[in-house]
Amino acid sequence: AQTVTQSQPEMSVQEAETVTLSCTYDTSENNYYLFWYKQPPSRQMILVIRQEAYKQQNATENRFSVNFQKAAKSFSLKISDSQLGDTAMYFCAFMKLSNSNSGYALNFGKGTSLLVTP
Amino acid sequence: DSGVTQTPKHLITATGQRVTLRCSPRSGDLSVYWYQQSLDQGLQFLIQYYNGEERAKGNILERFSAQQFPDLHSELNLSSLELGDSALYFCASSVAQFTEAFFGQGTRLTVV
Repeated sequence: AQTVTQSQPEMSVQEAETVTLSCTYDTSENNYYLFWYKQPPSRQMILVIRQEAYKQQNATENRFSVNFQKAAKSFSLKISDSQLGDTAMYFCAFMKLSNSNSGYALNFGKGTSLLVTP
Repeated sequence: DSGVTQTPKHLITATGQRVTLRCSPRSGDLSVYWYQQSLDQGLQFLIQYYNGEERAKGNILERFSAQQFPDLHSELNLSSLELGDSALYFCASSVAQFTEAFFGQGTRLTVV
């Protein structure tokens, strides 16, 4: 089974600053996707960014970027120019890609609560 | 708005009862997933359907069942409810099985 670990339960950053959220995962798989989801106080789960394991280039999406280190099984999220609206719980998730008919479930970490302060 | 619709948004029911949660996926999405979010267990995968067929099962209790209908909407049935079943239940959908999933707003279930 794949495990996803987010070692920072809570983090705080000032508006306009940069913050990095950590995520490590444990898997013997070679083909997989990694995701960061954001859950603001509204409870909605919002996809932030996706990384395919076969891609060496780190994914970016506007102010959000990842540092994907496959050998180290590390997948951190960097938020640049933090905004008040970035305040949310952030979840790292792993999806195994399988040739069998076994489905494609997301395996989530426990989350990091990020507070952006003025 | 993700395009995934879940009803109801809130549900309060008594122990021992049975409830049905409904999910309408995004237009064109064939895959539907159900997840449970609770304070102690975090986000847990329950079950996945793809084009009407069950494709994967996670930590879903025997008291829980689900199905996906020909119009691709899905229902999660929870029976013999216990206090510990109180949680936020999410439905998510994706166009294919291995593409990113988009989540609905969830159904908050409270068992009293």
